[in-house]
Amino acid sequence: AQSVTQPDIHITVSEGASLELRCNYSYGATPYLFWYVQSPGQGLQLLLKYFSGDTLVQGIKGFEAEFKRSQSSFNLRKPSVHWSDAAEYFCAVGSPNTGNQFYFGTGTSLTVIP
Amino acid sequence: ETGVTQTPRHLVMGMTNKKSLKCEQHLGHNAMYWYKQSAKKPLELMFVYNFKEQTENNSVPSRFSPECPNSSHLFLHLHTLQPEDSALYLCASSQGQGNYEQYFGPGTRLTVT
Repeated sequence: AQSVTQPDIHITVSEGASLELRCNYSYGATPYLFWYVQSPGQGLQLLLKYFSGDTLVQGIKGFEAEFKRSQSSFNLRKPSVHWSDAAEYFCAVGSPNTGNQFYFGTGTSLTVIP
Repeated sequence: ETGVTQTPRHLVMGMTNKKSLKCEQHLGHNAMYWYKQSAKKPLELMFVYNFKEQTENNSVPSRFSPECPNSSHLFLHLHTLQPEDSALYLCASSQGQGNYEQYFGPGTRLTVT
């Protein structure tokens, strides 16, 4: 069965520092991969997605993620974090074989300190 | 209105009450979803509708009853809920069946007393 692991429950970074949020998935074939962000009191907003092709994908708000098949990972990165990036981040995986079923990780809460 | 809207944003109900959550999408999508988000747990997919037809029911208790009268509207009817049903209920929509990205509403924060 598909699953998604986000090993870091909570991360704190200083404003202007770089950020990497980890995501590992379990799936036999090439998955579709997503990163979503959720601000307090809000729904989930799509940051970026990977379906195929270039393994480094660019998203909104200056985020990027890299798909590494050998490591079953899809880590999210940002070179310089802004205070407004403080939020909950969710990784999700789907596949051609799961139809409408997305599997979400438990999320990583990001705190940004001035 | 744009995107996906949900009403009410907050709801407190007793275990014997009956209430309904409403979701509306203004994106021209054909698939709609209900998720349950509880603290420290992954989002749980509850129901999926594609072209108004239910295509997924992930073993959700019958005290949750979905309704999809058209591709733009989705309801979740609630009755005889339990305190453990307290959670954030998120609605989402996507272009169609399959792995199109999903667009989420802001959610309804439900508290069952």
